[in-house]
Amino acid sequence: DAKTTQPTSMDCAEGRAANLPCNHSTISGNEYVYWYRQIHSQGPQYIIHGLKNNETNEMASLIITEDRKSSTLILPHATLRDTAVYYCIVRSQGGSEKLVFGKGTKLTVNP
Amino acid sequence: GAVVSQHPSWVICKSGTSVKIECRSLDFQATTMFWYRQFPKQSLMLMATSNEGSKATYEQGVEKDKFLINHASLTLSTLTVTSAHPEDSSFYICSAAPGGGNTIYFGEGSWLTVV
Repeated sequence: DAKTTQPTSMDCAEGRAANLPCNHSTISGNEYVYWYRQIHSQGPQYIIHGLKNNETNEMASLIITEDRKSSTLILPHATLRDTAVYYCIVRSQGGSEKLVFGKGTKLTVNP
Repeated sequence: GAVVSQHPSWVICKSGTSVKIECRSLDFQATTMFWYRQFPKQSLMLMATSNEGSKATYEQGVEKDKFLINHASLTLSTLTVTSAHPEDSSFYICSAAPGGGNTIYFGEGSWLTVV
């Protein structure tokens, strides 16, 4: 079972920041927070991951609370192409560790 | 990021026949690959973990005799849906992590329609 809770859907205006929350109150000390997104009819795309420090890459920023029980994915300037289902997943490190998907958040970026 | 490729992208087969879907890691080796299935408007469901040179590990409720997985090399895993039925129609997706690393990358997915 997925160990995360996300809102079912969110809307965001084009050009504005999209802030997607995720609760993972039962996260273990060795588990990372991963974010993926899935655009309709495509395979999931890796966005970012982190353990306890905030992370930033060319796609997004990941803010993890100090107690690690929740996190927020930030898309700084959302575009229409960012419309997708966003999945927050907690997972231990290692290539053999599987990803278990929850229901995710359907983000709709509006013009 | 690393590239995972699936083939075919879509396939239509007749009920009762078998169909094979390939998953390749194009620029890295993967001792482990994962197979998922996704029905319309639903999330991805993990079916099995494919292990190079050994038997796959299936998730609870997934029929191993129906969904045959072969991971014969470090860059190729195949999923064969045997005796396919219309209810097997779905989006099948594979994934792998380069060098047993921490980030998993996904293929483009394969649409299976059984008629």
